[in-house]
Amino acid sequence: ILNVEQSPQSLHVQEGDSTNFTCSFPSSNFYALHWYRWETAKSPEALFVMTLNGDEKKKGRISATLNTKEGYSYLYIKGSQPEDSATYLCAFDDYKLSFGAGTTVTVRA
Amino acid sequence: DADVTQTPRNRITKTGKRIMLECSQTKGHDRMYWYRQDPGLGLRLIYYSFDVKDINKGEISDGYSVSRQAQAKFSLSLESAIPNQTALYFCATSEVRGGELFFGEGSRLTVL
Repeated sequence: ILNVEQSPQSLHVQEGDSTNFTCSFPSSNFYALHWYRWETAKSPEALFVMTLNGDEKKKGRISATLNTKEGYSYLYIKGSQPEDSATYLCAFDDYKLSFGAGTTVTVRA
Repeated sequence: DADVTQTPRNRITKTGKRIMLECSQTKGHDRMYWYRQDPGLGLRLIYYSFDVKDINKGEISDGYSVSRQAQAKFSLSLESAIPNQTALYFCATSEVRGGELFFGEGSRLTVL
């Protein structure tokens, strides 16, 4: 069982503030690192798939960075909005995906 | 219509009953997965299949079995359901290694 850890487990953010959280993963047998967004009563949806050390990806106000040598990835949300409230999952991909427990973000208006 | 469809969406059953959760996809992907979600534990892999003739155990396969009837269909069975199998189950597909997962809508199973 691979150890994929996300921190913090949850966080509350004021609307308009920026925030970030972490995914740590094994540094061996790395193929890709995935980020998913999971809203209540919906299915998880992919945000990013990152493969190269130093990768940075961006989608609107959400961005992610990847450090494969030290085994971590950051997800950033700039100018949080209530619709950003969700659980954000990362997954380590060697040849199958192992998920972390997620970071639940609640944006207060 | 959803690209990845799971049936049933909700099921309540009793201990010892056999249960099948079905997954079908219209994306044409070879790779299919079954995950279960428990609060605080994230998604844990039960079984995965990279093509019709390939079935692999995930991290929590005990008490479960699967069948890959066709490229588009991947079923999960609980031979004799027990209460700690109460969970939300997701089927997912991907096109290639390293490709993003596409999830079904989930099947909520309660075992009394």
